[in-house]
Amino acid sequence: DTGVSQDPRHKITKRGQNVTFRCDPISEHNRLYWYRQTLGQGPEFLTYFQNEAQLEKSRLLSDRFSAERPKGSFSTLEIQRTEQGDSAMYLCASSPSSPRAGGEKLFFGSGTQLSVL
Amino acid sequence: AQKITQTQPGMFVQEKEAVTLDCTYDTSDQSYGLFWYKQPSSGEMIFLIYQGSYDEQNATEGRYSLNFQKARKSANLVISASQLGDSAMYFCAMRGTGNQFYFGTGTSLTVIP
Repeated sequence: DTGVSQDPRHKITKRGQNVTFRCDPISEHNRLYWYRQTLGQGPEFLTYFQNEAQLEKSRLLSDRFSAERPKGSFSTLEIQRTEQGDSAMYLCASSPSSPRAGGEKLFFGSGTQLSVL
Repeated sequence: AQKITQTQPGMFVQEKEAVTLDCTYDTSDQSYGLFWYKQPSSGEMIFLIYQGSYDEQNATEGRYSLNFQKARKSANLVISASQLGDSAMYFCAMRGTGNQFYFGTGTSLTVIP
């Protein structure tokens, strides 16, 4: 169990550029979540996958945001035409679907800190 | 709608003393889960404790216990024998039947030597 891995840890970009983040969940976990966290706030739900299917998307997720999990393993989150308001920590989390396997809780990665200049 | 409320932006506790962090929730789901996570300055969210809505006994994990009062819709975290390493942000969260997790705004805990 190597934990949830996110890459990169930090990303600085200019307004208007596209950015892509990657998340590798714990290998046997079939659920994967993306959250956004701004300073002084708790994580806000963005989207959720079960295997390769994107089952829920928050209304916070504008058309500039897209997430994929093509083979049901790693996931990518892309933000197009970044804006300064997109600056935040983007957290990925995974969980098994079975409560017996710990499906009650989320296992988080260390996050990607995005700064849009 | 699901909502988590943490009314204490910041708390201080003396080392070795106990501290209670407050959390109230609102949901219309009959089945739900309540969680506490710790977020140190490094940023990673660390799971602390879980309480299911049908669990009759309060959950305990080492120095952490969850004071679950279902009728009041509260799920307070109690940390006993505080340590300097407990200084961090603490988030209360809830999972409803839709598998989405909702987080509160957090409480910053500072342990004073």
